[in-house]
Amino acid sequence: EDQVTQSPEALRLQEGESSSLNCSYTVSGLRGLFWYRQDPGKGPEFLFTLYSAGEEKEKERLKATLTKKESFLHITAPKPEDSATYLCAVHSGAGSYQLTFGKGTKLSVIP
Amino acid sequence: DVKVTQSSRYLVKRTGEKVFLECVQDMDHENMFWYRQDPGLGLRLIYFSYDVKMKEKGDIPEGYSVSREKKERFSLILESASTNQTSMYLCASRIRNEQYFGPGTRLTVT
Repeated sequence: EDQVTQSPEALRLQEGESSSLNCSYTVSGLRGLFWYRQDPGKGPEFLFTLYSAGEEKEKERLKATLTKKESFLHITAPKPEDSATYLCAVHSGAGSYQLTFGKGTKLSVIP
Repeated sequence: DVKVTQSSRYLVKRTGEKVFLECVQDMDHENMFWYRQDPGLGLRLIYFSYDVKMKEKGDIPEGYSVSREKKERFSLILESASTNQTSMYLCASRIRNEQYFGPGTRLTVT
């Protein structure tokens, strides 16, 4: 059974204080790892897809990286508008189109 | 831009009522999904559809059914709503290997 664990559950940062969110996974044949951002009361917004170890993707202050067992979402010099819950999900060879989601990291950036 | 819409943002229903949640995508995607999201439990897949009139159960299908008569529309049906179905319901549509979500429907069953 695929498993995704995100840590920490919650993270408070001062504006400008860089940090990383972790997503560790156990799957049978990774076919993709996905990062989403979710604002309160809204649907998740797609950020990145990573397919193989060593791959990196960047968007503004966010950079996602992937190893064989985990992914990191690095946030550089965050701003208050980066406050949200960040979700990680995996697509494995075991399932057809199903994604397995972690429970998310709630990020708060304090001005 | 990818666009997935859901029929209602907020819905309040009574126990025992039949409830329809509708999802529409305008991108000709074949695959569509219904999830529910609850605090501490994350997103859980209820049903998905990989083509018109085709459906598969997800992890928690009990108490739900779905309908996909047209490619762009995927409906979730609660045959007899119960209080434990109070939740945030999210529809998603898939292109390439990526799922795009609608804004969600917050359903309260009283």
